Amino acid sequence: QVQLVQSGTEVKKPGASVKVSCKASGYIFTNYGISWVRQAPGQGLEWMGWISTHDGITNYAQNFEGRVIMATDTSTSTAYMELRNLRSDDTAVYYCARHRPPYDAWGQGTLVTVSS
Amino acid sequence: DIQMTQSPSSLSASVGDRVTITCRASQGISNYLAWYQQKPGKPPRLLIHTASTLQSGVPSRFSGSGSGTDFTLIISTLQPEDVATYYCQKYNTAPLTFGGGTKVEIK
Repeated sequence: QVQLVQSGTEVKKPGASVKVSCKASGYIFTNYGISWVRQAPGQGLEWMGWISTHDGITNYAQNFEGRVIMATDTSTSTAYMELRNLRSDDTAVYYCARHRPPYDAWGQGTLVTVSS
Repeated sequence: DIQMTQSPSSLSASVGDRVTITCRASQGISNYLAWYQQKPGKPPRLLIHTASTLQSGVPSRFSGSGSGTDFTLIISTLQPEDVATYYCQKYNTAPLTFGGGTKVEIK
């Protein structure tokens, strides 16, 4: 069955970077893109961007341009999202999702806490 | 960018009630509209895509309609397991914006 398994909880200081991984299984990785969505505590869903697993082309939300890098490793069917220069308001659960779109499969989420 | 506005932001209804949630796009998006259900501590689950197509495995009490700028999600007979927050999402072009969410509770 289709599965997206994300890396574990992260605690970071302001100004640091975080890299979250998302390992896909149960389907041909390069047939679907991967999107990243985050959710701050008690808040709604915020689209961060997506990456084509076929050719690596990315499309980032304007709010994250210059701070986010999305990448994939097709040899391990893994997608990565790195967010730099973290601030306290980046504290959120970060999700990867299989991107056709829309999103028919999601990772379990990775909690990133930014605190001094 | 196109904005997605959901209403109401929350509602309380009785088991068996018909529940209607609306989503409005600030510009036309044809039928590139999806609905998701999210329960606490879980990732969202796709319910409906292309505005009205039920995702495989989703109960038939869920239905969607609309095109252009105005869309509706209906739960025909509310069940206790439907307590969740529901989000719409446009996906015609980036950014793939979500609505603000509608929290559904049982009265």
